[in-house]
Amino acid sequence: DGGITQSPKYLFRKEGQNVTLSCEQNLNHDAMYWYRQDPGQGLRLIYYSQIVNDFQKGDIAEGYSVSREKKESFPLTVTSAQKNPTAFYLCASSLQPGQYNQPQHFGDGTRLSIL
Amino acid sequence: GNSVTQMEGPVTLSEEAFLTINCTYTATGYPSLFWYVQYPGEGLQLLLKATKADDKGSNKGFEATYRKETTSFHLEKGSVQVSDSAVYFCALNAGGTSYGKLTFGQGTILTVHP
Repeated sequence: DGGITQSPKYLFRKEGQNVTLSCEQNLNHDAMYWYRQDPGQGLRLIYYSQIVNDFQKGDIAEGYSVSREKKESFPLTVTSAQKNPTAFYLCASSLQPGQYNQPQHFGDGTRLSIL
Repeated sequence: GNSVTQMEGPVTLSEEAFLTINCTYTATGYPSLFWYVQYPGEGLQLLLKATKADDKGSNKGFEATYRKETTSFHLEKGSVQVSDSAVYFCALNAGGTSYGKLTFGQGTILTVHP
């Protein structure tokens, strides 16, 4: 079955450490997104990519970095500069970034906590 | 800018009760509208969508109608079940330079008791 796979499901970060969250999709989608979810809040966009080797900052990009070297993969690195990284991180994809009626498909998320 | 406002939660209902979760939006142009559902510990699943005025999206007994005149997309279900307990998100895609980005409401927690 096609879908989006996020790993790991749970991740712990020590102070001063960078950690990388994996996101892989086999839906052949062009666009991919990273969101952060905090309790009682909606989703906030961190980064998005419309095509391989291209990505743009979302609303809360500070302290995060991404790469898009392959169509299927869009890893997110939470750097030590992100002072409040504890959250639930969701990866999503959509077929064509310019089509406004295309829904986004989501992975099952990674929960990141500080040790 | 674009924004989505959902009714305050949490919402607690008894099984077989009628459900309404209000959603209103602000957007330039003619956005597409979506309802997503999130079960505990999982990602979001698309519940239904509507892409133009007066469209009705429906799925699994849930319905929502795109009302341009009131800029609303309220979610309804005639008879809820315990298994409907989840968080529901209203979202819009404004198209154009938004490049497929979704704007989400804050989510509404629904709990259904037997």
